[in-house]
Amino acid sequence: DVKVTQSSRYLVKRTGEKVFLECVQDMDHENMFWYRQDPGLGLRLIYFSYDVKMKEKGDIPEGYSVSREKKERFSLILESASTNQTSMYLCASSPNRLYNSPLHFGNGTRLTVT
Amino acid sequence: AQSVTQLDSHVSVSEGTPVLLRCNYSSSYSPSLFWYVQHPNKGLQLLLKYTSAATLVKGINGFEAEFKKSETSFHLTKPSAHMSDAAEYFCVINNNDMRFGAGTRLTVKP
Repeated sequence: DVKVTQSSRYLVKRTGEKVFLECVQDMDHENMFWYRQDPGLGLRLIYFSYDVKMKEKGDIPEGYSVSREKKERFSLILESASTNQTSMYLCASSPNRLYNSPLHFGNGTRLTVT
Repeated sequence: AQSVTQLDSHVSVSEGTPVLLRCNYSSSYSPSLFWYVQHPNKGLQLLLKYTSAATLVKGINGFEAEFKKSETSFHLTKPSAHMSDAAEYFCVINNNDMRFGAGTRLTVKP
C-alpha cells in the first residue's frame, strides 16, 4: 500500500518564522503535490512537481516555496509565516503523468500561525 | 485553464432517498475527472474516476457518476442514501495538475 507521510500532524508557529513542512512517499511516485484545505474553499493547489528538482506553481503559490531534491521527498516552505497561512496542509503523490492516475494523500498537517 | 465548479455547497437528504451532487467542468481538452470523499476528521478517499472508457462510472459504496460532454457535467449519484454517506465530497479535474472543486457537504437525516 502506498504511504504518504507528513512529518507533523499539528504545528504551531509564530508570525515571521520560516516553516518547513515535509512529505515523504514510499512508492517511487513521480508526481507530488501540496494543497491547503480551508472550509468552504476545498483544496487549493499550492505547488506540484513532476520530477526531482522540478516544480510548477499552482493556484496560490504566493508566500510559499518548495524543494524536491530527492524523488521521495517534497518539502513546502513558508518563507515568513503569516496568520493567513493558518490552515490544513495536505501532501499527495501520484504514480506518473498519465491523466487518470489518482492521488494518494498524507494525513495532513494542521498549521497554526500566531 | 481547466476547473471544476460544484454547484451546491451543502446538500441534505433523508436516509433511503437518492443523492445528487452536481459538478460542472471547464477544460480545453478531454478531461480526466474524479470524485473524492472526506469523512469528518478523516483523510481523502477516491470514490471513482472517469477515464473515457465509459461515460457511466461506478465507484465504491454504491456511488456512480455520468460524464456528459454536451453539458460539461460529471454529477455524482447514489440511489439510496445511508447515514454513513454523510461527508464532504470533492469533484476533481486533472490535466497533469489535479484541481479540486470547493466541495459539497452531504447531510443525511434519519
